[in-house]
Amino acid sequence: DTAVSQTPKYLVTQMGNDKSIKCEQNLGHDTMYWYKQDSKKFLKIMFSYNNKELIINETVPNRFSPKSPDKAHLNLHINSLELGDSAVYFCASSQSGGGIQYFGAGTRLSVL
Amino acid sequence: AQSVTQLDSHVSVSEGTPVLLRCNYSSSYSPSLFWYVQHPNKGLQLLLKYTSAATLVKGINGFEAEFKKSETSFHLTKPSAHMSDAAEYFCVVSEIAGGTSYGKLTFGQGTILTVHP
Repeated sequence: DTAVSQTPKYLVTQMGNDKSIKCEQNLGHDTMYWYKQDSKKFLKIMFSYNNKELIINETVPNRFSPKSPDKAHLNLHINSLELGDSAVYFCASSQSGGGIQYFGAGTRLSVL
Repeated sequence: AQSVTQLDSHVSVSEGTPVLLRCNYSSSYSPSLFWYVQHPNKGLQLLLKYTSAATLVKGINGFEAEFKKSETSFHLTKPSAHMSDAAEYFCVVSEIAGGTSYGKLTFGQGTILTVHP
């Protein structure tokens, strides 16, 4: 069973569209994260939720809106997509208190 | 604030020779340090973790890393490289402040390891 699963794996869309990426973890963790990996492979945290509560929000444009319906899910909705949003987005989860973060396989978003 | 610097963007070795990937960190508190590996078009896999126990940490696939506080370093080594080790490696720091952490990871820029036959 995949521990942290993201869907879709690939997402190609036009500028201006709205899209969502879903993430689910079956590890029983209480904290989930979204990271963005740019074209130079640099990884940067975007958001973190602990027990459905937003705890990290790193100067991300408000076109990005995370939603956590329960502690096993953290979805990422992006409005009015721009070319610069093209990247690989990784979801991760951990137990709070400094637990190891486990990553999903990534979603490669291409905005044309 | 925390930061991580991976000193080499690319490292190239021959199969069977030692691997050294260098990492220096900066942290205001007692850090946790990690190495993650990313194979092409794959997700990130944890290689090893340091959290203030033994300074020499053993990970998967024969990798190990030594935490040196005086040098603020956490270099990754492997005695003998294998072709399957070719990937990108990320050194990562997570601050633990006040005994709690929500795991804000700061990644280094990555080191691409190439292994020649």
